[in-house]
Amino acid sequence: NAGVTQTPKFQVLKTGQSMTLQCAQDMNHNSMYWYRQDPGMGLRLIYYSASEGTTDKGEVPNGYNVSRLNKREFSLRLESAAPSQTSVYFCASSGGLAGAYNEQFFGPGTRLTVL
Amino acid sequence: GNSVTQMEGPVTLSEEAFLTINCTYTATGYPSLFWYVQYPGEGLQLLLKATKADDKGSNKGFEATYRKETTSFHLEKGSVQVSDSAVYFCALILTGGGNKLTFGTGTQLKVEL
Repeated sequence: NAGVTQTPKFQVLKTGQSMTLQCAQDMNHNSMYWYRQDPGMGLRLIYYSASEGTTDKGEVPNGYNVSRLNKREFSLRLESAAPSQTSVYFCASSGGLAGAYNEQFFGPGTRLTVL
Repeated sequence: GNSVTQMEGPVTLSEEAFLTINCTYTATGYPSLFWYVQYPGEGLQLLLKATKADDKGSNKGFEATYRKETTSFHLEKGSVQVSDSAVYFCALILTGGGNKLTFGTGTQLKVEL
């Protein structure tokens, strides 16, 4: 039982390049989330998916797109990377009843640097 | 809007010292409150939670009490260990507001021998 896995662990991009961050969970959770973590800012929600087939914007969605490929996988895409997107990206998932609080389980993170 | 304010870090303590990390919140509704911990190189883990006023969450020797009158949820531990060195995040979710967490900025704790 691996929980939430993320790939890659580290990535360096040049400005304007694109890439996709991958996330998968094996806990049969309905909901999945993408956060970014910046010094002095805590974690901020980029996008989330309450269930398979749905996605919604979070606090800081600009410059990102997401795909909920199936119940297990939720990817985050940067179409044209900018230095302001240098950050640590965390994926999380949660299960249980819709509308209730359900503990979020986090992956180990992807450290992205945009030059 | 909703927000969480934590004390600035880093907090540096000697082993067996008493720990307090302050957390206050503002919320438009009735929140549930959480402390998450992030060990070096890892993702966040839920440490403890409280869902209503006067509830006390506890885990691994850490405690926090939901104080509605002071809108606070301060984290305490009576005797810290080197293994407690990590970043601690206070967070909230609004009841009925889906499952979206609002995080504080995090407080780094360093415990020395």
